[in-house]
Amino acid sequence: SQTIHQWPATLVQPVGSPLSLECTVEGTSNPNLYWYRQAAGRGLQLLFYSVGIGQISSEVPQNLSASRPQDRQFILSSKKLLLSDSGFYLCAWSLGTVTEAFFGQGTRLTVV
Amino acid sequence: AQTVTQSQPEMSVQEAETVTLSCTYDTSESDYYLFWYKQPPSRQMILVIRQEAYKQQNATENRFSVNFQKAAKSFSLKISDSQLGDAAMYFCAFQTNFGNEKLTFGTGTRLTIIP
Repeated sequence: SQTIHQWPATLVQPVGSPLSLECTVEGTSNPNLYWYRQAAGRGLQLLFYSVGIGQISSEVPQNLSASRPQDRQFILSSKKLLLSDSGFYLCAWSLGTVTEAFFGQGTRLTVV
Repeated sequence: AQTVTQSQPEMSVQEAETVTLSCTYDTSESDYYLFWYKQPPSRQMILVIRQEAYKQQNATENRFSVNFQKAAKSFSLKISDSQLGDAAMYFCAFQTNFGNEKLTFGTGTRLTIIP
């Protein structure tokens, strides 16, 4: 069966520090991969999505970046965190529109 | 660009009653999918129901059903016989088919069940 791993579950980082959140999927090949951010009590904002290795579409051109070094690995990064980067980050995968999206457990990021 | 709008930030319903959550979307595509996801306090996203745009018949999953009006670009969720476990954030989502398979969510509706 397919599973998605996202870590860490919680993270507290100082302003100006770098960020790396990792997401991996098991049990499937060539999935679509997504990074979302959810501010407290708010909706899901699509940050990045990828339909294949090396193919990244950016929805939010801020100080975040994403990479897909392997088929089932999706990494969210920042060189210098801002206070406004605090939030709940969710990774998800799907097989195009064949399946619904399956979500990881999320990472709660607090920038202090 | 696709947009998804949920105009009800919060809704409440008496247990065992029926509630309808609204969703509208904007797209120039003709082939797409619509979803309702539920996010309980655990924050795990759970698919509630899925609708394919080319199917005129409204999707139904047990107590959950949708009213899909393609011309009006409307996709509402009806929850019948509301239960305490239905309390959650509900998100409407849109995904195009083939190629650019971006999955876009609305801002969500927080549903409270009143015992």
